[in-house]
Amino acid sequence: EIVLTQSPGTLSLSPGERATLSCRASQTISSNYLAWYQQKPGQAPRLLIYGASSRATGIPDRFSGSGSGTDFTLTISRLEPEDFAVYYCQQYGSSPHTFGQGTKLEIK
Amino acid sequence: QVQLQESGPGLVKPSETLSLNCTVSGGSISNYYWSWIRQPPGKGLEWIGYIYYSGSTNYNPSLKSRVTISLDTSKNQFSLKLSSVTAADTAVYYCARQSSYASHMGYWGQGTLVTVSS
Repeated sequence: EIVLTQSPGTLSLSPGERATLSCRASQTISSNYLAWYQQKPGQAPRLLIYGASSRATGIPDRFSGSGSGTDFTLTISRLEPEDFAVYYCQQYGSSPHTFGQGTKLEIK
Repeated sequence: QVQLQESGPGLVKPSETLSLNCTVSGGSISNYYWSWIRQPPGKGLEWIGYIYYSGSTNYNPSLKSRVTISLDTSKNQFSLKLSSVTAADTAVYYCARQSSYASHMGYWGQGTLVTVSS
């Protein structure tokens, strides 16, 4: 099973700042089959990025994904108030599909 | 616009079987993979498994002995059964759609809280 470790656990930033979230895998993720999801309290996760770097439909271009192999990054170029949430990475290249433990992005 | 909606009992007794349905609207259940994911209160996400419209399944080994996912194409619906539940199975259960066996989940239901308690 591929274990995904996200860092930091909590990130405190202000609106307008740049956010960099990390996801590290215990093994190489085949074909960069890695997604990022945003989850707000009481809501289902929302797909942001798939294939490590492709934005899902309707996702603003301030969200970008990068990385390959075992190291992946989600960058939010300029934080908006609605971006403060929990972010999860997920690999779907091998079974079982696994999620990271999440990074909470909070307002400083 | 595809929509998914979970339904089922919100309270299940220990040792009994948890049963949930997910109804798909705005699109056909054919040609896609349909997943279940759960999230214990205040914790992270856990993938439970998926079913393809043909009926083939893939389960998380950690739950495989207790999980059954099935589908009913006539109702555009798929289901989750989790047997011998304990308090550790208390969670919000989500259904979701994948485009292939190795695919992200682009559409999610709103989730339903299932509490295991006597």
